Amino acid sequence: EAQLVESGGGLVQPGGSLRLSCAASGFIVSSNYMSWVRQAPGKGLEWVSILYSGGGAYYADSVKGRFTISRDNSKNTLYLQMNSLSAEDTAVYYCARTPWDWGQGTLVTVSS
Amino acid sequence: DIQMTQSPSSLSASVGDRVTITCQASQDISNHLNWYQQKPGKAPKLLIYDVFNLGMGVPSRFSGSGSRTDFTLTISSLQPEDIATYYCQQYDDLPYTFGQGTRLEIK
Repeated sequence: EAQLVESGGGLVQPGGSLRLSCAASGFIVSSNYMSWVRQAPGKGLEWVSILYSGGGAYYADSVKGRFTISRDNSKNTLYLQMNSLSAEDTAVYYCARTPWDWGQGTLVTVSS
Repeated sequence: DIQMTQSPSSLSASVGDRVTITCQASQDISNHLNWYQQKPGKAPKLLIYDVFNLGMGVPSRFSGSGSRTDFTLTISSLQPEDIATYYCQQYDDLPYTFGQGTRLEIK
């Protein structure tokens, strides 16, 4: 059974950085399409980024140039490096084995 | 970007009712459409993929249909555990946009 566990969320000041992790079990991260999706408080789902099994990575315009998706095959873990954070980035961040399985999410709060 | 428009935004129905949610794409997305169910305080769950295929463990009262720009999610007989927000998502072209969601409540 596939399982995804996100970590790394928390409170960060505007302009700061954070790295989210998504530890996977029950499947191989590098053989799957892996995504990050976020949900601002009380709002809908927003697609953030995808990392294809072949290595191609794509981003929403709202995070392009600030966020970087990556994976560590030895740890079977997906990451999201987030830089230059602003209040608009405050959300629960979900990782997903697209489209099949989702993690429980990790909350990122950007505030001074 | 492809815009996904769901209707209605919210819906109140009785147990046993047939419920229909629609999703319209701003351009042809072929059959590249998934539906997700999100219960309060929980992560989204894949409900239907590729327009009409049920996700793992999804009850047969859920069904999907449509093509190109117009898609429908149907619950044939609403159950109390179906209370959730439902989202469509296209994956025909990046960015893989979601609809704004349809909040389903029990009357």
